[in-house]
Amino acid sequence: DGGITQSPKYLFRKEGQNVTLSCEQNLNHDAMYWYRQDPGQGLRLIYYSQIVNDFQKGDIAEGYSVSREKKESFPLTVTSAQKNPTAFYLCASSPRTGRQDTEAFFGQGTRLTVV
Amino acid sequence: GQNIDQPTEMTATEGAIVQINCTYQTSGFNGLFWYQQHAGEAPTFLSYNVLDGLEEKGRFSSFLSRSKGYSYLLLKELQMKDSASYLCAVRGNAGNNRKLIWGLGTSLAVNP
Repeated sequence: DGGITQSPKYLFRKEGQNVTLSCEQNLNHDAMYWYRQDPGQGLRLIYYSQIVNDFQKGDIAEGYSVSREKKESFPLTVTSAQKNPTAFYLCASSPRTGRQDTEAFFGQGTRLTVV
Repeated sequence: GQNIDQPTEMTATEGAIVQINCTYQTSGFNGLFWYQQHAGEAPTFLSYNVLDGLEEKGRFSSFLSRSKGYSYLLLKELQMKDSASYLCAVRGNAGNNRKLIWGLGTSLAVNP
């Protein structure tokens, strides 16, 4: 089955440690996105990538880093510079075609708790 | 600036009809999406509108008026499992790399 997989679903880390969240898709989608969701707030874009080896900062990129070495994979690293890292992180992908009605497909999410 | 407004919370009764409104102001418009999100889960796609009018999909329908910057999601024959957050999102223009701009979501509670 085609889909987008995030792992793990729950992640605990100590303050000051970097942590990497995994996102893999086998949908052959060009575009991939990382969002953060906090209670009472909408989805906020952290980073996105339209093609391999290229990515752009979203609205709240500070304290995060990404890489896009393969089309299927778009890992997100939450660094110790991120002041409030505890949140629900969502990865999404979409085809990058001329058609506009190409919705984003989401992974199951990773709930990160920093203690 | 870019802004999407939705009511924060709504309550409805099982079997009834509910309409969730969304108004938007964005720089460029390339379609409006509705997603459903259950607590602790990922959003799932419900509908897409790019032209004015009503799109119907089973119990769910979505309407768009581009001139008014307005959309609504209509849920009929409500079921308990429809209790969820409903997110409105607008795809911007090519200058924004066609990113989705998200509303804060409307939390719908369906009561028996």
